[in-house]
Amino acid sequence: EIVMTQSPATLSVSPGERATFSCRASQHVHGNLAWYQQKPGQAPRLLIYDVSTRATGIPARFSGSGSGTEFTLTISSLQSEDFAVYYCQEYNYWPPYSFGQGTKLEIK
Amino acid sequence: EVQLVQSGAEVKKPGESLKISCKGSGYSFNTYWIGWVRQMPGKGLEWMGFIYPGDTDTRYTPAFEGQVIISADRSITTAYLQWDNLKASDTAMYYCARSPIDDLGMIDYWGQGTLVTVSS
Repeated sequence: EIVMTQSPATLSVSPGERATFSCRASQHVHGNLAWYQQKPGQAPRLLIYDVSTRATGIPARFSGSGSGTEFTLTISSLQSEDFAVYYCQEYNYWPPYSFGQGTKLEIK
Repeated sequence: EVQLVQSGAEVKKPGESLKISCKGSGYSFNTYWIGWVRQMPGKGLEWMGFIYPGDTDTRYTPAFEGQVIISADRSITTAYLQWDNLKASDTAMYYCARSPIDDLGMIDYWGQGTLVTVSS
């Protein structure tokens, strides 16, 4: 079974600075990689799919990159509403279309 | 506007049965996969399985095969997640999730979640 590993577990960044999240897959996912944001008490929200395509309504400060087994989500200039947990997910291998364990973005 | 509206929170006892629902609106219900994602308290996300309402093709993650039943009623654009024998370990938040046919597994819309608590 494919394993998605996110790092770091917690990221501390100041508002206005850049945040970079990493996601590593144990096997190639052939571009089938998404990122989600989850705020406390809320459902997750799709940010990025197919590695680098922003979902509808997602601000341009969110960007995705990578290939093969290594992927990155970048938030270029953090806003207060961006502090949340971020998950990567592959959708190349069923079952189970694995999620990473999440990275918590906290205010520094 | 695409919406997935889930039924309300439930409190059940071990051994009881339960069926929660998710009503889709604002899109063609028959032409997207719809499924369920579990989030245990303080934990991450797990796909449980999904159904294609257009032909009722249903797929389960092995961990959930035989433990739950996923179904859909096209006439009322509603998907369901059902248990026949709840366990304390089923306590979790359950999210309804829509997945496009050409990017199966990617979740473009989520329901608001249904909290299921199983306790004696």
